[in-house]
Amino acid sequence: GNSVTQMEGPVTLSEEAFLTINCTYTATGYPSLFWYVQYPGEGLQLLLKATKADDKGSNKGFEATYRKETTSFHLEKGSVQVSDSAVYFCALNPSGGYQKVTFGTGTKLQVIP
Amino acid sequence: DAGITQSPRYKITETGRQVTLMCHQTWSHSYMFWYRQDLGHGLRLIYYSAAADITDKGEVPDGYVVSRSKTENFPLTLESATRSQTSVYFCASSEGGKSTEAFFGQGTRLTVV
Repeated sequence: GNSVTQMEGPVTLSEEAFLTINCTYTATGYPSLFWYVQYPGEGLQLLLKATKADDKGSNKGFEATYRKETTSFHLEKGSVQVSDSAVYFCALNPSGGYQKVTFGTGTKLQVIP
Repeated sequence: DAGITQSPRYKITETGRQVTLMCHQTWSHSYMFWYRQDLGHGLRLIYYSAAADITDKGEVPDGYVVSRSKTENFPLTLESATRSQTSVYFCASSEGGKSTEAFFGQGTRLTVV
């Protein structure tokens, strides 16, 4: 079956540090890949997505590249801010007609001033 | 208001009682979902619906009932609440294509005492 594996958290960084959150997946065919963000007390919201191999999704300074060869979709940001403190979820939509979305377990990021 | 709304936001109920969590979306999305979020488990799918009158089980359906008589509403009922159902519940909707994201409500925090 499909699966998404994220690095364990929590991740604690100082403001302006570089962020990487690793995400790898297992799926047949060519899924679409997503990063969602959950701020405290809120639901998840889409951060970025990529729908085919080598696509780069980007938003709010965050980037992730769909790497088919390594089945990865790592999230990066060059300089984090305190306001980026949240839980980040990697997810995939499988190919071949609609099937259930698979989420990773989430990585909590805390950015300290 | 446009979007997806859940009610109530907070609920405390007693063991054995029936409780219904409401979810309403204004986009006419075909797919709707119920997830529960628990520490250490990430998001787990309870039930989903591909259209009105079409529902299917997710990963953890036991103890829950859903219905979808109208496209815009997808209530979740706990028939006889147990303490293990204490959780944060999220409703989501999606157009359902491989490339489309899910839109989440703000969640309902349910405590069973």
